[in-house]
Amino acid sequence: GNSVTQMEGPVTLSEEAFLTINCTYTATGYPSLFWYVQYPGEGLQLLLKATKADDKGSNKGFEATYRKETTSFHLEKGSVQVSDSAVYFCALVRSTDSWGKLQFGAGTQVVVTP
Amino acid sequence: DAGVTQSPTHLIKTRGQQVTLRCSPKSGHDTVSWYQQALGQGPQFIFQYYEEEERQRGNFPDRFSGHQFPNYSSELNVNALLLGDSALYLCASSLSAGRSDTQYFGPGTRLTVL
Repeated sequence: GNSVTQMEGPVTLSEEAFLTINCTYTATGYPSLFWYVQYPGEGLQLLLKATKADDKGSNKGFEATYRKETTSFHLEKGSVQVSDSAVYFCALVRSTDSWGKLQFGAGTQVVVTP
Repeated sequence: DAGVTQSPTHLIKTRGQQVTLRCSPKSGHDTVSWYQQALGQGPQFIFQYYEEEERQRGNFPDRFSGHQFPNYSSELNVNALLLGDSALYLCASSLSAGRSDTQYFGPGTRLTVL
């Protein structure tokens, strides 16, 4: 089954709105968790990561907290800009994986309008 | 500092043909991973190369093969192309990828199989 489940998009919101993208995972132990962003026509860029429970990753105004009890890693941003329009991918590396094989969710497209 | 580069940018092939995609890792990185991203989906891990050896492999048939050169650059070869091989192929590099290490992605090669 799927290791990472993300909310379906597209998510459309106005500039300065609050953004939440839900991500839940299925994995034993403590996987490492990541959010990647893909801008139109580009490859993936790491947005933030967390490697243990209760860790909070943050970057460029985005935050996500590793919640072991709910197996979640939801992405949030308090005030989005048009430039945040992109596809966001939640991913994990299993705790039993020594070499960093990323397993991605299906992605959530975010569209921010002026 | 050049990031991960891939060539070519786009490629069109017909069924049954063979294709070779190329990747140069970020300076100082010794590990290269390849991912396939079908339209509207998250990337799927193909395989990873380290010290010129395939270290880990995803659930892809033997038609997918690769190589890593002494300068750490890598090639992905796909034989007997199928329509379903049409996708964006992403290369990612890291320094001896571990569970929490950051992988840096290139812009990808868009392969279209007709």
